[in-house]
Amino acid sequence: ETGVTQSPTHLIKTRGQQVTLRCSSQSGHNTVSWYQQALGQGPQFIFQYYREEENGRGNFPPRFSGLQFPNYSSELNVNALELDDSALYLCASTPGGARDSPLHFGNGTRLTVT
Amino acid sequence: RKEVEQDPGPFNVPEGATVAFNCTYSNSASQSFFWYRQDCRKEPKLLMSVYSSGNEDGRFTAQLNRASQYISLLIRDSKLSDSATYLCVVNEKSNSGYALNFGKGTSLLVTP
Repeated sequence: ETGVTQSPTHLIKTRGQQVTLRCSSQSGHNTVSWYQQALGQGPQFIFQYYREEENGRGNFPPRFSGLQFPNYSSELNVNALELDDSALYLCASTPGGARDSPLHFGNGTRLTVT
Repeated sequence: RKEVEQDPGPFNVPEGATVAFNCTYSNSASQSFFWYRQDCRKEPKLLMSVYSSGNEDGRFTAQLNRASQYISLLIRDSKLSDSATYLCVVNEKSNSGYALNFGKGTSLLVTP
């Protein structure tokens, strides 16, 4: 069974640029969610995709957008990067969209915006 | 007001001690509850789900009080390997679907 994988592991961007982060869900999982974790904080929910449709969103501006593909892998896109976007971005997958299924996290992408 | 509140700690306890963490949530429509564990510079991992009747997994006991909107985690006979950050997680139904809200986490350090 393949776990959740994220790429890249580290990324440095400058303010105003755009970034795309990628996530492959655990095999058999069709729900993917994304989180932003700043240093010393808990993960903050960005959004969730179930069968290629967004079915939940946290308090993030529209410049945070996403996609889920037919193979259930997912992308997180952030436009017009700001310094405060520097954080660990975590992707998690769950099977079947069940609301009480445990999250299986990837190792995360550490984004630094300078 | 933050939706999921935890005491950040740190909690420093000796091996063998019993330690309890508390968590409160603001949305009474919250539907499911979890404790996750996060080691330094690692991803969070599920420790246990929390059920209304309370549940136990070895040295760990989780309790939920829906009336008070309060969740707890009790760790008995602490081990050095229990040192980590413990995250309270609440799954809420919103207009846009489900939202998973994490607390900031409670840091635990178990010392010899």
